[in-house]
Amino acid sequence: DTGVSQDPRHKITKRGQNVTFRCDPISEHNRLYWYRQTLGQGPEFLTYFQNEAQLEKSRLLSNRFSAERPKGSFSTLEIQRTEQGDSAMYLCASSHPLAEETQYFGPGTRLLVL
Amino acid sequence: DAKTTQPPSMDCAEGRAANLPCNHSTISGNEYVYWYRQIHSQGPQYIIHGLKNNETNEMASLIITEDRKSSTLILPHATLRDTAVYYCIGTYAGNNRKLIWGLGTSLAVNP
Repeated sequence: DTGVSQDPRHKITKRGQNVTFRCDPISEHNRLYWYRQTLGQGPEFLTYFQNEAQLEKSRLLSNRFSAERPKGSFSTLEIQRTEQGDSAMYLCASSHPLAEETQYFGPGTRLLVL
Repeated sequence: DAKTTQPPSMDCAEGRAANLPCNHSTISGNEYVYWYRQIHSQGPQYIIHGLKNNETNEMASLIITEDRKSSTLILPHATLRDTAVYYCIGTYAGNNRKLIWGLGTSLAVNP
């Protein structure tokens, strides 16, 4: 499968714990995006990378959230001191430099904070 | 990015055409209209996009009004697998750093 992959698919954690999610984009896709989606809502933009550079972060992204893409390939999204309000689906997408208008999404990581 | 308005839900009979409307009256001249869909428990899937002219691909057709204030996504022969939430998004091409999503239209294709 050469699509966008995310790991883990599901994560259950206790409030206050740290969690880290991984996203592997489609190879040769230089842009990588993170979104968050809660039940019944559309995805909400969190941040995006062009190669290894993080070019934009949503103002909604608290300082407990950090994302990296150290080698311009895979990316990680870490949430520190999780809160129940962080429970959501975390989606990753990537796009090719010659077709930036098309974002390809992964299956998402569903986080439940107890 | 243009604010878009879509009906919250629609029904369609299997094998018939599904016509999903979207209003984007505040869209600017260089903003594209994108359509994505999201099948339950999956990530969103790109369908089609357009600027002024009507567009067609293997998945759907996009009809944009001349004043560009609204558009219609057409699934010519809907199948049960087309049951999903369909999102209409207005954004700048080349500036597609992020997509601003609304609530979409939940399309139910019935047998």
